[in-house]
Amino acid sequence: QEKVQQSPESLIVPEGAMVSLNCSFSDSASQSIWWYQQHPGKGPKALISIFSNGNKKEGRLTVYLNRASLHVSLHIKDSQPSDSAVYLCAVSNSGGSNYKLTFGKGTLLTVTP
Amino acid sequence: AQTIHQWPVAEIKAVGSPLSLGCTIKGKSSPNLYWYWQATGGTLQQLFYSITVGQVESVVQLNLSASRPKDDQFILSTEKLLLSHSGFYLCAWSPQTEVFFGKGTRLTVV
Repeated sequence: QEKVQQSPESLIVPEGAMVSLNCSFSDSASQSIWWYQQHPGKGPKALISIFSNGNKKEGRLTVYLNRASLHVSLHIKDSQPSDSAVYLCAVSNSGGSNYKLTFGKGTLLTVTP
Repeated sequence: AQTIHQWPVAEIKAVGSPLSLGCTIKGKSSPNLYWYWQATGGTLQQLFYSITVGQVESVVQLNLSASRPKDDQFILSTEKLLLSHSGFYLCAWSPQTEVFFGKGTRLTVV
């Protein structure tokens, strides 16, 4: 069964700082790895995904994947107070007809003005 | 554009009482539908999935059931709630690989 671990559990940074979030997973055969953003009392919203080894950049977000070390990281450049939220790492697997996301516990990010 | 609507927004229910949560997807025919659950302080986990009307598969056993009576509707229910059922329930759908979540239902069992 897939296991997803995230670190740190929480993070407080000043506005404008670079934020780095980490995620490790257990199944090297996993498909895409997704990062979701979740505000309190709301459903998660997908930010970015990656499938192949290497990095992918979208706006202020960059994600790095190393399948050999089963590790993925998300970096947020020039963080803003509106970025304050829980960030969830999710690993996807297709078993039969089910497309399943296995989530980590999340990292609570607080960006202070 | 596709929209996903969940109801109710929040519920406070007594232990042993029945429960029915609903979800409707508009703007997409024959979507793959999912129920996810997040216990307070816990990890978001998939409970059920459905790829077509009338077919629902259970992923985690939590004394809950799900049904898909219409192409665009997904229902989560139980006849007797437990304290452990408290949490945040999310309906979701996916066209292919991205999963879109609804706004969720906060359930408190007392």
